[in-house]
Amino acid sequence: GESVGLHLPTLSVQEGDNSIINCAYSNSASDYFIWYKQESGKGPQFIIDIRSNMDKRQGQRVTVLLNKTVKHLSLQIAATQPGDSAVYFCAEYAGGTSYGKLTFGQGTILTVHP
Amino acid sequence: KAGVTQTPRYLIKTRGQQVTLSCSPISGHRSVSWYQQTPGQGLQFLFEYFSETQRNKGNFPGRFSGRQFSNSRSEMNVSTLELGDSALYLCASSVGQGIEAFFGQGTRLTVV
Repeated sequence: GESVGLHLPTLSVQEGDNSIINCAYSNSASDYFIWYKQESGKGPQFIIDIRSNMDKRQGQRVTVLLNKTVKHLSLQIAATQPGDSAVYFCAEYAGGTSYGKLTFGQGTILTVHP
Repeated sequence: KAGVTQTPRYLIKTRGQQVTLSCSPISGHRSVSWYQQTPGQGLQFLFEYFSETQRNKGNFPGRFSGRQFSNSRSEMNVSTLELGDSALYLCASSVGQGIEAFFGQGTRLTVV
């Protein structure tokens, strides 16, 4: 039959606001959790990762929080800019023999209004 | 430093044909992974190669195959194309396990 397109969650913010993008993951045994950004017409771009034994990690304008109790991951973007408009994916790396395999979430569309 | 290069960028093929896509990883990266991206299924892992050996494979039929050369360049092949194979095929390279993967711009395959 015909495939149904994913209805991606959307987040609209004003330039300068902080953005929070959420992700629920499934595999409690995953070793790493990663955030990727995909702009229109481009491949995904690595933003930041966090190992499963950490709760928080900060990068440039971004913070990733990991709550293993409820299997929840979030990406916080400070002072969001129009150039941050993209689809954001969380991904899991299971570790072990999962060489090269990232399991991606469905994605969230972030739109930043000037 | 040059990024991941995928060729061609766009392809139109007819059902039943076969297609070969190419990926040149970042210099020094020995791991190359392939993904299929569709609106319906999102990003799905196809397979990964490291030093010319397939180390991991996703849940795709045997019509999907790949290989890696001694210079780390990789190709993937899809035989007996079906309409459902229409997708953006992405290649990603990394130094080791693929956590920090660098993606190419993809090859947009349309099967008619």
